Amino acid sequence: AQSVAQPEDQVNVAEGNPLTVKCTYSVSGNPYLFWYVQYPNRGLQFLLKYITGDNLVKGSYGFEAEFNKSQTSFHLKKPSALVSDSALYFCAVADQTGANNLFFGTGTRLTVIP
Amino acid sequence: NAGVMQNPRHLVRRRGQEARLRCSPMKGHSHVYWYRQLPEEGLKFMVYLQKENIIDESGMPKERFSAEFPKEGPSILRIQQVVRGDSAAYFCASSTAQYQPQHFGDGTRLSIL
Repeated sequence: AQSVAQPEDQVNVAEGNPLTVKCTYSVSGNPYLFWYVQYPNRGLQFLLKYITGDNLVKGSYGFEAEFNKSQTSFHLKKPSALVSDSALYFCAVADQTGANNLFFGTGTRLTVIP
Repeated sequence: NAGVMQNPRHLVRRRGQEARLRCSPMKGHSHVYWYRQLPEEGLKFMVYLQKENIIDESGMPKERFSAEFPKEGPSILRIQQVVRGDSAAYFCASSTAQYQPQHFGDGTRLSIL
């Protein structure tokens, strides 16, 4: 069965500093991995995905994520945080062996302090 | 290019009534997914549909909940005889194909009095 863990409920970072939002996953086969961002009273917006290929994936708004198979991790990163990056971030995984749906983590609230 | 459209944005029902939530996928998307989000929690998968077919309903409660995606018109998530525990935000997503990024609507917030 698939599962996703986001170990930090809250991450605070100063504007201009690098940020990392952690995610680890568990699937029975090869994973499809996604990051989404949610702003208040809105749906989720797609940031980036890993299907296969390079372990470093670049996405929207300057975000990137590194797939680490040995550590079963897919941490989200950004070199320089903006106040407008403050939001709720969700990691999600799908199983390439046949599952049709995404399993989401419980989310990490990122606050960028001016 | 309009995104995924969900309506209504807010829905209030009394216990025992029916709730109908509608979702129009993005143009060109034939795969629709419904998720439920409780406060301060992640999204939980409910059902995955393609036109006129339910592909995976493993996340749907066995009773009172149903979903459809007819050949014409939006996808409908129907909750019969609602109870307080059904209060949540319900999100619809669509994609062009399986495992492609899912694009989400802004959700329907269902409140049960």
